[in-house]
Amino acid sequence: EDKVVQSPLSLVVHEGDTVTLNCSYEVTNFRSLLWYKQEKKAPTFLFMLTSSGIEKKSGRLSSILDKKELFSILNITATQTGDSAIYLCAVLTGGGNKLTFGTGTQLKVEL
Amino acid sequence: ETGVTQSPTHLIKTRGQQVTLRCSSQSGHNTVSWYQQALGQGPQFIFQYYREEENGRGNFPPRFSGLQFPNYSSELNVNALELDDSALYLCASSFLANYGYTFGSGTRLTVV
Repeated sequence: EDKVVQSPLSLVVHEGDTVTLNCSYEVTNFRSLLWYKQEKKAPTFLFMLTSSGIEKKSGRLSSILDKKELFSILNITATQTGDSAIYLCAVLTGGGNKLTFGTGTQLKVEL
Repeated sequence: ETGVTQSPTHLIKTRGQQVTLRCSSQSGHNTVSWYQQALGQGPQFIFQYYREEENGRGNFPPRFSGLQFPNYSSELNVNALELDDSALYLCASSFLANYGYTFGSGTRLTVV
């Protein structure tokens, strides 16, 4: 059975801190790994990673995939209160029809 | 360009009843997937529809069924509701899997 594990489960930091969120996976027929941010209801897309070792960056967020060790990290630098959310990691498998999600990391950024 | 829209936003049903949830996919997207997200959990894959045919199913019983229409909108039907069906139901659409999935805001279903 495909499995995605995220750590930590929750995290409280102060504005300006840098955080690293972890995602490991054990799946068959890996296609890509995706990161989403979920604030209230709709998960919003952050990154899709397909190749190992290539960092994707968007503003203060960045992510990288290691297909040999089967994990990915999401970094957020200079955190802001608006970064408070659940961060979901998901792996796309098979014919691209199924996302397997981790439980998510609940991030809270305090002033 | 419109995003993914779901209706209704909230719903309360009694155990044993049936429910239909609706999803309009993003313009240009031909694939719709449904996910169930219980409180404190990540979304769980229910099934996917591509060109009006089921294209993969997760570990959900047959009382969870779906439809996709020629305009690529979709319905999720759940029969014989159980208390454990209480969850946020998310719809996601895509054009090709390699371009990722866009999620709607979900329907919060409460079964009492």
